[in-house]
Amino acid sequence: GAVVSQHPSWVICKSGTSVKIECRSLDFQATTMFWYRQFPKQSLMLMATSNEGSKATYEQGVEKDKFLINHASLTLSTLTVTSAHPEDSSFYICSARIQSAYYGYTFGSGTRLTVV
Amino acid sequence: DAKTTQPTSMDCAEGRAANLPCNHSTISGNEYVYWYRQIHSQGPQYIIHGLKNNETNEMASLIITEDRKSSTLILPHATLRDTAVYYCIVRIGSGNTGKLIFGQGTTLQVKP
Repeated sequence: GAVVSQHPSWVICKSGTSVKIECRSLDFQATTMFWYRQFPKQSLMLMATSNEGSKATYEQGVEKDKFLINHASLTLSTLTVTSAHPEDSSFYICSARIQSAYYGYTFGSGTRLTVV
Repeated sequence: DAKTTQPTSMDCAEGRAANLPCNHSTISGNEYVYWYRQIHSQGPQYIIHGLKNNETNEMASLIITEDRKSSTLILPHATLRDTAVYYCIVRIGSGNTGKLIFGQGTTLQVKP
């Protein structure tokens, strides 16, 4: 149980275009989801916390106008990379908090974004 | 915010126990320690977590020192498939506000 599905698994887009990445909780409701990005040979960096029905909370240094997050339902959060540039090429990973007795966190399989 | 310190890399022989240490000397009394691992180009996989008692599940054991300033993840019989980056994380915040901030992790190489 507690599976998070992320789509697409990889995407290639042209500079200047926007790309949307979806994160779905398949068998549970996720009021809170998280978005990370990871550059090659580096650790995961938390970008933002996505809360259902309210605005996302962005980490320091992350441009909220460039990385648009929408969490309109209890099972879906989306990350849109607007006006993508080659430096936005990265591995984007979502996570959902499982509201059980101990608050676990489950991760999606990630999206490889390449901007050309 | 409590930070964690882990060795950059470790080797382990297949079939032997892998012991991965983690220092978290600034941990607060109500902060949990989580362990995840990441195999190349995949999302992190949950291993185990704990507060102050030692924990064991089907994947691993977590030993937390009495002062909670350090912990050790034990994979009892490492296999080649356990080769991955292992992250020790102290959850920032509690309950509904908690989040995971990743450090650099330990790259574990299991060798035949």
